[in-house]
Amino acid sequence: NAGVTQTPKFQVLKTGQSMTLQCAQDMNHEYMSWYRQDPGMGLRLIHYSVGAGITDQGEVPNGYNVSRSTTEDFPLRLLSAAPSQTSVYFCASSPRPPRTVRIGTGELFFGEGSRLTVL
Amino acid sequence: EDQVTQSPEALRLQEGESSSLNCSYTVSGLRGLFWYRQDPGKGPEFLFTLYSAGEEKEKERLKATLTKKESFLHITAPKPEDSATYLCAVQAGTGRRALTFGSGTRLQVQP
Repeated sequence: NAGVTQTPKFQVLKTGQSMTLQCAQDMNHEYMSWYRQDPGMGLRLIHYSVGAGITDQGEVPNGYNVSRSTTEDFPLRLLSAAPSQTSVYFCASSPRPPRTVRIGTGELFFGEGSRLTVL
Repeated sequence: EDQVTQSPEALRLQEGESSSLNCSYTVSGLRGLFWYRQDPGKGPEFLFTLYSAGEEKEKERLKATLTKKESFLHITAPKPEDSATYLCAVQAGTGRRALTFGSGTRLQVQP
């Protein structure tokens, strides 16, 4: 039972470098999202996807790109890393909610996180 | 803009000493309020969903309640294994599925 798998767990980058954080889920979840967690600020949504081929911006999308070519995978790309992107990144997924019931939309399954340091 | 404020930031309890965590929110039409638990170095783990004022949910020593302005997470006779950060999040009724999270309450239960 893998759930949501994130790689790498730790990464150190230099300013200006690019990299991709990987996220994969094996639960056939429709919805996937990326959050960053910074001390004292709570989790903030970067990008999300409601299905393969569909992505949208969250609260803090600048400097990040995403794509969703399959249901299982939702990689997050840092285009040109900056020290302000030092953070812990979490990928989360949730199943498609039944049309007439409001359950499932906030019951997110999180990965264990990727800790990124940009020097 | 949706906002979630959690208090206190940190709470230290003795084992067996009951207390409550607060989550105050402002949101455009509440679609749901969610509680998560986060252990150090781990991702958040879902605990409860509350949809309307007056609703309550229970799980072991935890009980979550909801009013029109805030939610409480009551911890009865806590044990050291309840030590974690507890996160509150809201989902607005605007059609978006994104959650707005509070910054959490860090709970430490001492034996």
